[in-house]
Amino acid sequence: AQSVTQLGSHVSVSEGALVLLRCNYSSSVPPYLFWYVQYPNQGLQLLLKYTSAATLVKGINGFEAEFKKSETSFHLTKPSAHMSDAAEYFCAVTPNSGGYQKVTFGTGTKLQVIP
Amino acid sequence: DTAVSQTPKYLVTQMGNDKSIKCEQNLGHDTMYWYKQDSKKFLKIMFSYNNKELIINETVPNRFSPKSPDKAHLNLHINSLELGDSAVYFCASSQSRGQYETQYFGPGTRLLVL
Repeated sequence: AQSVTQLGSHVSVSEGALVLLRCNYSSSVPPYLFWYVQYPNQGLQLLLKYTSAATLVKGINGFEAEFKKSETSFHLTKPSAHMSDAAEYFCAVTPNSGGYQKVTFGTGTKLQVIP
Repeated sequence: DTAVSQTPKYLVTQMGNDKSIKCEQNLGHDTMYWYKQDSKKFLKIMFSYNNKELIINETVPNRFSPKSPDKAHLNLHINSLELGDSAVYFCASSQSRGQYETQYFGPGTRLLVL
């Protein structure tokens, strides 16, 4: 079964510092991968997704992620953190195959931005 | 202009009661989902419907019964509520079966069972 592991349930960065949120996937075949963000008391919103095209994926709000098959990773980065980036971030995976496939979410990483 | 809406937003009820949560999407999508998010923010899929047909049915107590009257609506009925049912329930929708399609989430229904 597909799964993702998010290292670090809490990450704190200073405003203006680099944001790095880690995600590793478990799959014998490169899957589809997603990053979603959840602001307090809201639903999830897609930041970006990897669908077997370019390995460097750019998303909304200045975020990007790089798919690295050799490391089975899909880490999320942003060069300079803003206060508005404080939220919960979820990595998610779904198989790159046919049929009815579900999306499996990681356990989430809470990002705190310190002024 | 809300894309995916859920009602109610908050639901506080006693153990043993029966309650329903409604979801509607105006995005023209053909697939809808119910997710449960627990107190530790862990998000788990419960059900998925594609064109009103149940396509994903995870290991969920049969006290939970989804119903999709049409492609734009997916409701969740819960019988005999238990303390462990307290969570945030999210509805979502996507075009097609959601393999690589973006899922659009509603604002959530916060259920508290006393």
